[in-house]
Amino acid sequence: KAGVTQTPRYLIKTRGQQVTLSCSPISGHRSVSWYQQTPGQGLQFLFEYFSETQRNKGNFPGRFSGRQFSNSRSEMNVSTLELGDSALYLCASSLGPAGGIWETQYFGPGTRLLVL
Amino acid sequence: QKEVEQDPGPLSVPEGAIVSLNCTYSNSAFQYFMWYRQYSRKGPELLMYTYSSGNKEDGRFTAQVDKSSKYISLFIRDSQPSDSATYLCAMRTNNQGGKLIFGQGTELSVKP
Repeated sequence: KAGVTQTPRYLIKTRGQQVTLSCSPISGHRSVSWYQQTPGQGLQFLFEYFSETQRNKGNFPGRFSGRQFSNSRSEMNVSTLELGDSALYLCASSLGPAGGIWETQYFGPGTRLLVL
Repeated sequence: QKEVEQDPGPLSVPEGAIVSLNCTYSNSAFQYFMWYRQYSRKGPELLMYTYSSGNKEDGRFTAQVDKSSKYISLFIRDSQPSDSATYLCAMRTNNQGGKLIFGQGTELSVKP
């Protein structure tokens, strides 16, 4: 079974631009979560989607947004990019609403974003 | 103070050594505890998943959770050079869905 896929894998943008990242979960998985990973802050939770609805949101500014489609694929968008947005953005998928006792999340390889 | 504290290392051990990795946490509501392994330029890979307190063993890996001390551990027996990676602890509560709180990660190097 194919794992979580993320596109693009690498991206270079300049300050002020916006960016859209895509995540395709494991086949049959309906929940998608997004995380930001930086050397200074580590892995931080951005948001979680299940059945096209945002279930949970981390402490990030409104410039960070996301959505989920009916086929469970998800996108996240960052508007008005800042230098500090340079990071590895990771997507994780799970079978059902992540939160069940035995629910585990499987991560994709990430999209590495560099903001100049 | 961070909710989850993990020594970033780096930790260097000889091949065959027993490795002990640890995390402490402050939120007593955490109920689910995980260990992920992340190789350079890859996404985290789930190693171990435990619920509440106790031990869990899977091959060369043993995870321990002590909720009374708010302390979790991962032991790696007979460590191999292929175990060289960053190890991340992660945990979540019962009522925040899939939101995982991660430790900073410990960089492990196993020397042949």
